Amino acid sequence: QVQLVESGGGVVQPGRSLRLSCVASGFTFSTYGMHWVRQAPGKGLEWVAIIWYDGQNKYYADSVKGRFTVSRDNSKSTLYLQMDSLRVEDTAVYYCARDLREWFGEFDFDHWGQGTLVTVSS
Amino acid sequence: SSELTQDPAVSVALGQTVRITCQGDSLRSYDAGWYQQKPGQAPLLVFYGKNNRPSGIPDRFSGSISGNTASLTITGARAEDEADYYCNSRDNTGYHGVFGGGTKVTVL
Repeated sequence: QVQLVESGGGVVQPGRSLRLSCVASGFTFSTYGMHWVRQAPGKGLEWVAIIWYDGQNKYYADSVKGRFTVSRDNSKSTLYLQMDSLRVEDTAVYYCARDLREWFGEFDFDHWGQGTLVTVSS
Repeated sequence: SSELTQDPAVSVALGQTVRITCQGDSLRSYDAGWYQQKPGQAPLLVFYGKNNRPSGIPDRFSGSISGNTASLTITGARAEDEADYYCNSRDNTGYHGVFGGGTKVTVL
Protein backbone atom coordinates (compact mmCIF):
# COMPACT_ATOMS: atom_id res chain seq x y z
CA GLN A 1 0.00 0.00 0.00
CA VAL A 2 1.06 3.58 -0.62
CA GLN A 3 2.85 5.19 2.31
CA LEU A 4 4.30 8.65 2.72
CA VAL A 5 6.29 9.41 5.86
CA GLU A 6 7.49 12.94 6.60
CA SER A 7 10.25 13.89 8.99
CA GLY A 8 12.46 16.83 9.85
CA GLY A 9 10.02 19.14 11.59
CA GLY A 10 10.83 20.93 14.80
CA VAL A 11 11.27 24.29 16.46
CA VAL A 12 13.49 26.81 14.70
CA GLN A 13 14.21 30.50 15.13
CA PRO A 14 13.13 33.07 12.54
CA GLY A 15 15.66 33.45 9.77
CA ARG A 16 17.04 29.95 10.18
CA SER A 17 16.71 26.91 7.90
CA LEU A 18 15.14 23.47 8.07
CA ARG A 19 14.92 20.54 5.64
CA LEU A 20 11.92 18.26 5.53
CA SER A 21 11.97 14.77 4.03
CA CYS A 22 9.18 12.51 2.81
CA VAL A 23 9.98 8.84 2.20
CA ALA A 24 7.59 7.09 -0.18
CA SER A 25 6.82 3.40 -0.52
CA GLY A 26 4.27 1.13 -2.12
CA PHE A 27 4.36 2.72 -5.58
CA THR A 28 6.77 3.71 -8.34
CA PHE A 29 7.88 7.05 -6.92
CA SER A 30 9.74 8.10 -10.06
CA THR A 31 6.59 8.32 -12.17
CA TYR A 32 4.52 10.66 -9.98
CA GLY A 33 4.49 14.37 -9.38
CA MET A 34 4.73 15.23 -5.70
CA HIS A 35 3.50 18.18 -3.66
CA TRP A 36 3.99 19.89 -0.34
CA VAL A 37 0.90 21.28 1.38
CA ARG A 38 0.86 23.03 4.75
CA GLN A 39 -1.69 23.87 7.40
CA ALA A 40 -1.13 26.54 10.03
CA PRO A 41 -2.59 25.74 13.47
CA GLY A 42 -6.38 26.05 13.33
CA LYS A 43 -6.28 27.23 9.71
CA GLY A 44 -6.99 25.84 6.27
CA LEU A 45 -4.84 24.03 3.76
CA GLU A 46 -2.27 25.93 1.69
CA TRP A 47 -0.53 24.46 -1.33
CA VAL A 48 3.22 25.07 -1.15
CA ALA A 49 5.06 23.45 -4.05
CA ILE A 50 5.04 20.82 -6.79
CA ILE A 51 7.86 18.88 -8.40
CA TRP A 52 7.29 16.88 -11.54
CA TYR A 53 8.12 13.19 -11.72
CA ASP A 54 11.63 13.76 -13.08
CA GLY A 55 12.44 16.82 -10.99
CA GLN A 56 12.79 19.01 -14.06
CA ASN A 57 9.93 21.36 -13.25
CA LYS A 58 9.12 22.93 -9.91
CA TYR A 59 6.55 25.55 -8.98
CA TYR A 60 5.97 27.39 -5.73
CA ALA A 61 3.32 29.39 -3.94
CA ASP A 62 4.09 33.10 -3.92
CA SER A 63 4.34 32.99 -0.12
CA VAL A 64 7.42 30.73 -0.22
CA LYS A 65 8.98 31.45 -3.61
CA GLY A 66 12.65 32.34 -3.30
CA ARG A 67 12.89 30.90 0.23
CA PHE A 68 11.82 27.25 -0.18
CA THR A 69 13.26 24.67 -2.57
CA VAL A 70 11.61 21.38 -3.44
CA SER A 71 13.72 18.47 -4.70
CA ARG A 72 13.57 14.72 -5.01
CA ASP A 73 15.86 11.71 -5.15
CA ASN A 74 14.09 9.05 -7.18
CA SER A 75 16.77 6.48 -6.34
CA LYS A 76 15.81 6.86 -2.69
CA SER A 77 12.05 7.44 -3.24
CA THR A 78 12.40 10.59 -1.19
CA LEU A 79 10.97 14.08 -1.52
CA TYR A 80 12.58 17.08 0.18
CA LEU A 81 11.65 20.62 1.11
CA GLN A 82 14.52 22.95 1.96
CA MET A 83 13.14 25.88 3.91
CA ASP A 84 15.38 28.94 4.30
CA SER A 85 14.80 32.36 5.84
CA LEU A 86 11.96 30.95 7.88
CA ARG A 87 9.30 33.29 9.22
CA VAL A 88 6.87 33.01 12.10
CA GLU A 89 4.07 32.70 9.54
CA ASP A 90 5.64 29.52 8.15
CA THR A 91 4.58 27.72 11.33
CA ALA A 92 2.41 24.83 10.18
CA VAL A 93 2.01 21.11 9.74
CA TYR A 94 3.69 20.24 6.45
CA TYR A 95 2.25 17.38 4.43
CA CYS A 96 3.72 15.67 1.41
CA ALA A 97 1.11 14.45 -1.03
CA ARG A 98 1.15 12.35 -4.16
CA ASP A 99 -0.49 13.54 -7.34
CA LEU A 100 -3.31 11.30 -8.46
CA ARG A 101 -2.00 10.82 -12.00
CA GLU A 102 1.41 9.80 -13.18
CA TRP A 103 3.99 12.05 -14.80
CA PHE A 104 3.28 15.76 -14.69
CA GLY A 105 0.95 16.78 -11.93
CA GLU A 106 -2.76 17.41 -12.05
CA PHE A 107 -3.17 18.86 -8.56
CA ASP A 108 -5.42 16.10 -7.23
CA PHE A 109 -3.80 14.60 -4.15
CA ASP A 110 -4.74 10.97 -3.58
CA HIS A 111 -2.28 10.02 -0.85
CA TRP A 112 -0.98 12.14 2.02
CA GLY A 113 1.60 11.67 4.73
CA GLN A 114 0.77 12.16 8.39
CA GLY A 115 2.46 15.56 8.42
CA THR A 116 5.37 17.05 10.32
CA LEU A 117 5.07 20.16 12.49
CA VAL A 118 7.34 23.12 11.91
CA THR A 119 7.31 25.83 14.55
CA VAL A 120 9.12 29.07 13.86
CA SER A 121 9.58 31.01 17.06
CA SER A 122 12.20 33.03 18.88
CA SER B 1 -2.97 33.66 -8.44
CA SER B 2 -6.62 32.75 -8.04
CA GLU B 3 -8.86 32.27 -5.07
CA LEU B 4 -11.45 29.64 -4.28
CA THR B 5 -14.30 30.72 -2.01
CA GLN B 6 -16.24 28.39 0.29
CA ASP B 7 -18.89 29.05 2.91
CA PRO B 8 -17.26 28.72 6.34
CA ALA B 9 -19.86 26.40 7.85
CA VAL B 10 -22.99 24.44 7.07
CA SER B 11 -25.16 22.07 9.06
CA VAL B 12 -27.27 19.12 7.98
CA ALA B 13 -29.72 16.87 9.77
CA LEU B 14 -28.80 13.21 10.02
CA GLY B 15 -29.90 11.41 6.85
CA GLN B 16 -30.52 14.60 4.91
CA THR B 17 -28.65 16.07 1.95
CA VAL B 18 -26.11 18.89 2.04
CA ARG B 19 -24.33 20.66 -0.79
CA ILE B 20 -21.02 22.46 -0.32
CA THR B 21 -19.96 24.97 -2.96
CA CYS B 22 -16.64 26.36 -4.14
CA GLN B 23 -16.39 29.41 -6.39
CA GLY B 24 -13.45 30.68 -8.38
CA ASP B 25 -12.52 31.97 -11.81
CA SER B 26 -10.01 29.17 -12.40
CA LEU B 27 -12.82 26.62 -12.17
CA ARG B 28 -13.90 27.72 -15.64
CA SER B 29 -10.66 26.16 -16.92
CA TYR B 30 -9.74 23.46 -14.40
CA ASP B 31 -11.59 20.76 -12.47
CA ALA B 32 -11.90 20.70 -8.69
CA GLY B 33 -11.02 18.14 -6.08
CA TRP B 34 -12.68 17.73 -2.68
CA TYR B 35 -11.03 16.68 0.57
CA GLN B 36 -12.46 15.64 3.91
CA GLN B 37 -10.41 16.38 7.00
CA LYS B 38 -11.22 15.25 10.51
CA PRO B 39 -9.43 16.63 13.58
CA GLY B 40 -5.86 15.44 13.87
CA GLN B 41 -5.93 13.62 10.55
CA ALA B 42 -4.51 14.23 7.10
CA PRO B 43 -6.97 15.24 4.38
CA LEU B 44 -8.71 12.51 2.39
CA LEU B 45 -9.64 12.89 -1.28
CA VAL B 46 -13.38 12.16 -1.62
CA PHE B 47 -14.19 13.39 -5.13
CA TYR B 48 -12.34 14.80 -8.12
CA GLY B 49 -12.87 15.90 -11.66
CA LYS B 50 -16.23 15.85 -13.32
CA ASN B 51 -17.38 12.50 -11.98
CA ASN B 52 -14.71 10.57 -10.07
CA ARG B 53 -14.84 9.01 -6.64
CA PRO B 54 -11.70 7.34 -5.28
CA SER B 55 -11.87 3.70 -4.34
CA GLY B 56 -13.39 3.21 -0.90
CA ILE B 57 -15.33 6.48 -0.82
CA PRO B 58 -19.07 5.92 -0.30
CA ASP B 59 -21.35 6.78 -3.18
CA ARG B 60 -23.25 9.26 -1.01
CA PHE B 61 -20.45 11.69 -1.98
CA SER B 62 -20.92 13.21 -5.42
CA GLY B 63 -19.62 16.26 -7.22
CA SER B 64 -20.46 18.59 -10.05
CA ILE B 65 -19.15 21.71 -11.71
CA SER B 66 -20.89 24.47 -13.62
CA GLY B 67 -19.27 27.67 -14.78
CA ASN B 68 -17.13 28.98 -11.96
CA THR B 69 -18.72 26.86 -9.24
CA ALA B 70 -17.91 23.35 -8.08
CA SER B 71 -20.15 21.49 -5.66
CA LEU B 72 -19.84 18.50 -3.38
CA THR B 73 -23.08 16.85 -2.32
CA ILE B 74 -23.49 14.43 0.57
CA THR B 75 -26.73 12.50 0.14
CA GLY B 76 -27.98 10.89 3.34
CA ALA B 77 -25.44 12.45 5.69
CA ARG B 78 -24.09 10.26 8.46
CA ALA B 79 -22.54 11.24 11.76
CA GLU B 80 -19.10 10.25 10.49
CA ASP B 81 -19.36 12.80 7.69
CA GLU B 82 -18.91 15.62 10.21
CA ALA B 83 -15.61 17.19 9.19
CA ASP B 84 -13.96 20.08 7.39
CA TYR B 85 -14.22 19.94 3.62
CA TYR B 86 -11.80 21.68 1.26
CA CYS B 87 -11.98 22.20 -2.47
CA ASN B 88 -8.85 22.61 -4.56
CA SER B 89 -7.86 23.31 -8.12
CA ARG B 90 -5.17 25.18 -10.00
CA ASP B 91 -4.77 28.90 -10.34
CA ASN B 92 -5.15 30.65 -13.69
CA THR B 93 -1.53 29.92 -14.65
CA GLY B 94 -2.20 26.20 -14.35
CA TYR B 95 1.08 25.65 -12.52
CA HIS B 96 0.08 26.49 -8.95
CA GLY B 97 -2.36 24.78 -6.66
CA VAL B 98 -5.00 26.60 -4.69
CA PHE B 99 -7.35 25.54 -1.89
CA GLY B 100 -10.62 26.99 -0.75
CA GLY B 101 -10.86 28.21 2.82
CA GLY B 102 -12.78 25.13 3.91
CA THR B 103 -16.35 24.39 5.02
CA LYS B 104 -17.09 22.92 8.42
CA VAL B 105 -19.95 20.44 8.09
CA THR B 106 -21.92 19.71 11.25
CA VAL B 107 -24.31 16.75 11.28
CA LEU B 108 -27.20 17.41 13.67
